[in-house]
Amino acid sequence: RKEVEQDPGPFNVPEGATVAFNCTYSNSASQSFFWYRQDCRKEPKLLMSVYSSGNEDGRFTAQLNRASQYISLLIRDSKLSDSATYLCVVNNAGNMLTFGGGTRLMVKP
Amino acid sequence: GAVVSQHPSWVICKSGTSVKIECRSLDFQATTMFWYRQFPKQSLMLMATSNEGSKATYEQGVEKDKFLINHASLTLSTLTVTSAHPEDSSFYICSARDFRWQGIVKNIQYFGAGTRLSVL
Repeated sequence: RKEVEQDPGPFNVPEGATVAFNCTYSNSASQSFFWYRQDCRKEPKLLMSVYSSGNEDGRFTAQLNRASQYISLLIRDSKLSDSATYLCVVNNAGNMLTFGGGTRLMVKP
Repeated sequence: GAVVSQHPSWVICKSGTSVKIECRSLDFQATTMFWYRQFPKQSLMLMATSNEGSKATYEQGVEKDKFLINHASLTLSTLTVTSAHPEDSSFYICSARDFRWQGIVKNIQYFGAGTRLSVL
């Protein structure tokens, strides 16, 4: 089993749609969690950290469920510019980042 | 915000050439930097952890003599791909860990823009 698992997609959604991604992690000792966004042939960029209480940043909402060991990302009112690969990232003891395989999102006009 | 600079962004070289990639943290000191490799349509795979003033820690399956890492200062780590071959062609990305608090989170890693290596 992979340490961090994501549905690779692609998720094809129309503009304005709401889309949600889930990610599961296997290490119960994982300490912090992030969503990164990666555009084609570019480096990953931090989208948001995921807090235990859940957090929202504009159209993006992240949730963490430690008991079930999953993290979610909700994107409301999708824009064409949201098309990218979204990487679920887990920071384990020793501060090592482990990346999920990414979920590809395609927002269509 | 924190910025990590990676250079060069694109290298095309002949087989057998050694290629050096630089990674710099521009507005913070990074005692720890990381080197990743990403093949097309795959996720990032950690190659090694670069520690300032000490030897790098390599992940299983990564040849330390092939991928030389030097972290000589708090803001610079270099990766040298020695005697590159076509199978080394990939997207190499560095990151640097910022130990400062960012809100209620610390240890955020920021990535360089990546280096696309093509070995002919």
